[in-house]
Amino acid sequence: DVKVTQSSRYLVKRTGEKVFLECVQDMDHENMFWYRQDPGLGLRLIYFSYDVKMKEKGDIPEGYSVSREKKERFSLILESASTNQTSMYLCASTEGGRGEQYFGPGTRLTVT
Amino acid sequence: GENVEQHPSTLSVQEGDSAVIKCTYSDSASNYFPWYKQELGKRPQLIIDIRSNVGEKKDQRIAVTLNKTAKHFSLHITETQPEDSAVYFCAATANQAGTALIFGKGTTLSVSS
Repeated sequence: DVKVTQSSRYLVKRTGEKVFLECVQDMDHENMFWYRQDPGLGLRLIYFSYDVKMKEKGDIPEGYSVSREKKERFSLILESASTNQTSMYLCASTEGGRGEQYFGPGTRLTVT
Repeated sequence: GENVEQHPSTLSVQEGDSAVIKCTYSDSASNYFPWYKQELGKRPQLIIDIRSNVGEKKDQRIAVTLNKTAKHFSLHITETQPEDSAVYFCAATANQAGTALIFGKGTTLSVSS
């Protein structure tokens, strides 16, 4: 049974803070993804990674960076949090191309 | 890049009725089209998917159809039940490897008994 976990369910940060969101998967999946989910906007891809130390920009990478030092762990970094980054952040992983993406439970981030 | 449009944004049906959600995509190179269901407070989960070499796929009460010429695909749910109430997302592949997906904005389906 695939398990994708995220470091926090709820997080409150102040404007300008550096924020780390972590995601871990236990199925040796090659591909990992970060999305943000906002009402009426669906799931928007921020970054994805297809291998350790490899990353590609998604649709909305501005204001974010990522790190993948180990295969099972994919981190999303907000270098200087802003109020418009208040959102639900979802991590996902998949074994290969054209397969089911398994999502984590999400982190609801509030930036004040 | 790929763009996915999804309609309607909300859909209300009576229990037992059918529900249809439609999506269009822009990139003719897209070749994988999954549908995800997200219940309130839960994570999205794959319910059905279709690849570009197939026109229709069915799994019990749900089916997906794909028209590659017109670049649209649809989700059909028959004999709807209250537990079908959720947000449904369509998606299409966004890169050549087929790993990244672009999602539609979602359809909130409400099934009343």
